[in-house]
This record gives sequence, C-alpha cells and structure tokens, in this order.
Amino acid sequence: DAKTTQPPSMDCAEGRAANLPCNHSTISGNEYVYWYRQIHSQGPQYIIHGLKNNETNEMASLIITEDRKSSTLILPHATLRDTAVYYCIVRSGSARQLTFGSGTQLTVLP
Amino acid sequence: DTGVSQDPRHKITKRGQNVTFRCDPISEHNRLYWYRQTLGQGPEFLTYFQNEAQLEKSRLLSDRFSAERPKGSFSTLEIQRTEQGDSAMYLCASSLGVQSNEQFFGPGTRLTVL
Repeated sequence: DAKTTQPPSMDCAEGRAANLPCNHSTISGNEYVYWYRQIHSQGPQYIIHGLKNNETNEMASLIITEDRKSSTLILPHATLRDTAVYYCIVRSGSARQLTFGSGTQLTVLP
Repeated sequence: DTGVSQDPRHKITKRGQNVTFRCDPISEHNRLYWYRQTLGQGPEFLTYFQNEAQLEKSRLLSDRFSAERPKGSFSTLEIQRTEQGDSAMYLCASSLGVQSNEQFFGPGTRLTVL
C-alpha cells in the first residue's frame, strides 16, 4: 500500500471548517483513500473513503485531486468532540488490513 | 450495545507471565482483525481471521503470540512470556463480507508489563 504524509498537528476554531491534508503521491490506480479518526482512549472510527470522485457523508467531505496524489478531509463545522488523531490511509481493494501512519492531531479550540 | 467489545480493558502483568485477551466482534461480521498500538503511533496490523480461519499474520506476531477464533465468533489473543516491549494497546476490529470498506474497532485492551 502507498505511504501517506500528514502534518503532525493542526488547530481549528470551533464552528469553523477543519481541512486536513494528506499527500499520497505514490498511490496506484486501484488504491482507495480512507480516513479514520481516533479519539483519545478509544479505538479508531471510520469516517469516509473514496477512489477518484469527491465524497460526502454525514461526518465529512473528502476531496481528492484529479491526479489522486493528494486529498483533503473537510469537517464542515468542527466541534470540540472532533478533537482526535486523524489518519489518512491508502488501501488497495484486495488488502485486508489497514496500514496506519502517525496521523494528524486535530485540536478544536473553543 | 452491538459494537465490538474487548475484555479486559486494562491488564497489568509482570514480565514472564502469560496473558490472554478476548474480542467479541459485531455478531454478523465474519472478518476479525487484531492490531497493536504503542504510544504516539498509529495501530499496527497483527493478524486477520475470516470466520475461524487465520488467513494472515504480520511479522510483528512473534512465536510468543497466538490468536484463535475457534467458532468464527469471538477471538482470543494470547501472549506468552510477556516482555516489557509488549506493553501497548491491543485493538480488535471486525468487518462484514468481502466488499466491506469499514472496520469497526473495539475500545482496546491496554497491557502494561512491569
């Protein structure tokens, strides 16, 4: 699976949009981009995934660049409960496990 | 609650002792995964079951580690002759079917080896 690069930490004001970037320049054509988050002392939680097209669900939006070498997870209206480590993961369709990096610690400030 | 459960949540043991952790996946999920997470790092894959068959094991899973899923439902992870380096959070996850994109994680078991 391709490696990902994320900033180690970011801050966001409560109520504002949080934009979390991820670089995955070596992504292959059959690899998906997944985002999980891990709130302190809990297991990781799935957020969203995509292949080529932008995706949106009740939690977030995923914007993937046309060349697929980077993506951005958008939390449209961050709350204090969104404070967590966010992991960007690139995974092929046939892979069973998730390969986590170090993620981005997002801190939502009041 | 119908999520993934793990027991115990915390375990403190002395070096050299054996420990066993249990994971109960979401009831209809046929895939079960074990991960290990050390402080400040993301989870690392250990092993994977499809029903009762253990189909994949990471190189991280030394001979002291063994995992089972005897009836394709709950799973156990045993560590023999624990070492201080085994101190970590052990996470279990489950998913449904071949095309499932989402793994559901349990709260983890935090192991401290003294």
